Amino acid sequence: DGGITQSPKYLFRKEGQNVTLSCEQNLNHDAMYWYRQDPGQGLRLIYYSQIVNDFQKGDIAEGYSVSREKKESFPLTVTSAQKNPTAFYLCASKTGQGAYEQYFGPGTRLTVT
Amino acid sequence: QKEVEQNSGPLSVPEGAIASLNCTYSDRVSQSFFWYRQYSGKSPELIMSIYSNGDKEDGRFTAQLNKASQYVSLLIRDSQPSDSATYLCAVNRGYGGSQGNLIFGKGTKLSVKP
Repeated sequence: DGGITQSPKYLFRKEGQNVTLSCEQNLNHDAMYWYRQDPGQGLRLIYYSQIVNDFQKGDIAEGYSVSREKKESFPLTVTSAQKNPTAFYLCASKTGQGAYEQYFGPGTRLTVT
Repeated sequence: QKEVEQNSGPLSVPEGAIASLNCTYSDRVSQSFFWYRQYSGKSPELIMSIYSNGDKEDGRFTAQLNKASQYVSLLIRDSQPSDSATYLCAVNRGYGGSQGNLIFGKGTKLSVKP
């Protein structure tokens, strides 16, 4: 089955700890995206990558980091510098240039206390 | 700041009725428009895309686009309780290297009452 997987589904961390969220896709999509969703806020773009070994900051990149070493994988690290890390994190992907439909993984719900 | 606006709802309709969801966008050069359905606690699921002015039908769903008015809507005919969800409108950013990126509205919560 082709699709996007995110793990874990739920993640609990103590304040001050870095945490890495996994996103893997086997759709052969070129572009991958990380969003954050808070109640009443809609989806906000954190980082995106259009090709391997390249990525760009989105609208709310502060306190986050990413890597794109393989086409299939786009992990997101939530660092201790992120002031309000508790949120629902969504990974998405799309094919290359000329297509705009994005498809989402199931999400990771991160709680930091 | 480019924006996508939606009425947050909740929009409540009886089972079997037509639900009408609306969205306006600010970027005149946007070319691609999407509707996503998001059930509570789940991730968004793409249900409709539209690129040209007019109507596009897919089963019980009809997307309508009016670029002159910068307005896109989603009609759900014969609404079912299983349609109860939050509906997100998304529009592509119409410029530069981020042209493939989407801007999302905050969503409209739809409740279909049996």
